[in-house]
Amino acid sequence: EPEVTQTPSHQVTQMGQEVILRCVPISNHLYFYWYRQILGQKVEFLVSFYNNEISEKSEIFDDQFSVERPDGSNFTLKIRSTKLEDSAMYFCASTRGEGNQPQHFGDGTRLSIL
Amino acid sequence: SQQGEEDPQALSIQEGENATMNCSYKTSINNLQWYRQNSGRGLVHLILIRSNEREKHSGRLRVTLDTSKKSSSLLITASRAADTASYFCATDARTSGSRLTFGEGTQLTVNP
Repeated sequence: EPEVTQTPSHQVTQMGQEVILRCVPISNHLYFYWYRQILGQKVEFLVSFYNNEISEKSEIFDDQFSVERPDGSNFTLKIRSTKLEDSAMYFCASTRGEGNQPQHFGDGTRLSIL
Repeated sequence: SQQGEEDPQALSIQEGENATMNCSYKTSINNLQWYRQNSGRGLVHLILIRSNEREKHSGRLRVTLDTSKKSSSLLITASRAADTASYFCATDARTSGSRLTFGEGTQLTVNP
């Protein structure tokens, strides 16, 4: 069964550095998402992406965040200048986008900011 | 309070028993989805119930939805130790492509 893949599984970065988290969504899916989960907390929506542009973003997704689909398969989340509070699990998800389709999640990238 | 609140926060049962988890939400929805998360892992989709459905089954899972009370329940029958995980409900407010709003989750422990 096709799945969403994310790399790396764990990223350790110094505060202030830039990080890029990578995702390969399921190939025939049209909508892509990033969510994050701070340790012990619930999953929070960051951004959705459709037709090569952001379709929706949350208040968490400020100017330090950006997303890109650089080619036909990858979907990336960039954090420009990381802060300690960016430490979290980041999940990528995708869906076909037609009505009432589930979102399929990757295993996540654990981001640790030192 | 938040969209998608589950109760109980934690549930501990013996293998073979049934587990029931509840979820409440506040706004109108298009569908409600249940996910499982094993410790440190990703979210696995379990079941989706549309706003015009009242009950849905998948294997040992049974989900109900009461839109008048803005609540849903997930029943796992004949639980197994492998069912130990966190369970989250998530609401989808629009017809297609919209964000999921997750609840706080229920930590289920099934003791062998």
